[in-house]
Amino acid sequence: QIQLVQSGPELKKPGESLKISCKASGYTFTDYAMQWVKQAPGKGLQYMGWINTQTGKPTYADDFKERFVFSLETSASTAYLQINNLKNEDTATYFCASGGDTPFDYWGQGVMVTVSS
Amino acid sequence: NIVLTQSPATLSVTPGESVSLSCRASQSISTSIHWYQQKSNESPRLLIKYASQSISGIPSRFSGSGSGTDFTLSINRVESEDFSIYYCQQSYSSLLTFGSGTKLEIK
Repeated sequence: QIQLVQSGPELKKPGESLKISCKASGYTFTDYAMQWVKQAPGKGLQYMGWINTQTGKPTYADDFKERFVFSLETSASTAYLQINNLKNEDTATYFCASGGDTPFDYWGQGVMVTVSS
Repeated sequence: NIVLTQSPATLSVTPGESVSLSCRASQSISTSIHWYQQKSNESPRLLIKYASQSISGIPSRFSGSGSGTDFTLSINRVESEDFSIYYCQQSYSSLLTFGSGTKLEIK
């Protein structure tokens, strides 16, 4: 069955960087784009953008064009989200998602990121 | 950007009631709308795709309708496990967007 398994929770200080992973299984990784979604505590779902798993080209939503980087390790069927120069407002759960029929057929379990001094 | 407006923000109902949740798009999006359920501390789950298409494994009490700018998620006879937050999402534009959600709570 299709699964997206994300890395574990992170506790970081402002100004630091982090990189979280999303490992896909149960399908050919390059068949579907990988999406990224942010959910701040008690808030709704915010679309961050996506990465083309065939070409590696990322596309960022307006709020995520600075400090955020999507990347791939295709041989490992893994997508990454890197956040640079962390700010308190980056405290959130970050989801990866993918699918062929809709962009969000399948979801990872989410990674809780806490940014605090 | 296509803005999706969900209403109401909160809906208080008694188990066994039937409900309708609304999602309105800022421009016509044909039927490129999908609905998700998110329970507390869980990932969202796809309920309905392309406005009205059912998803394998989702109970038949969930249904969707609409086209253009106005869409509805209906739950026939709400059960206790249905109390959660519901989001709509559009894939008409390559810049995907979500609605702000409707919280379904027990009255």
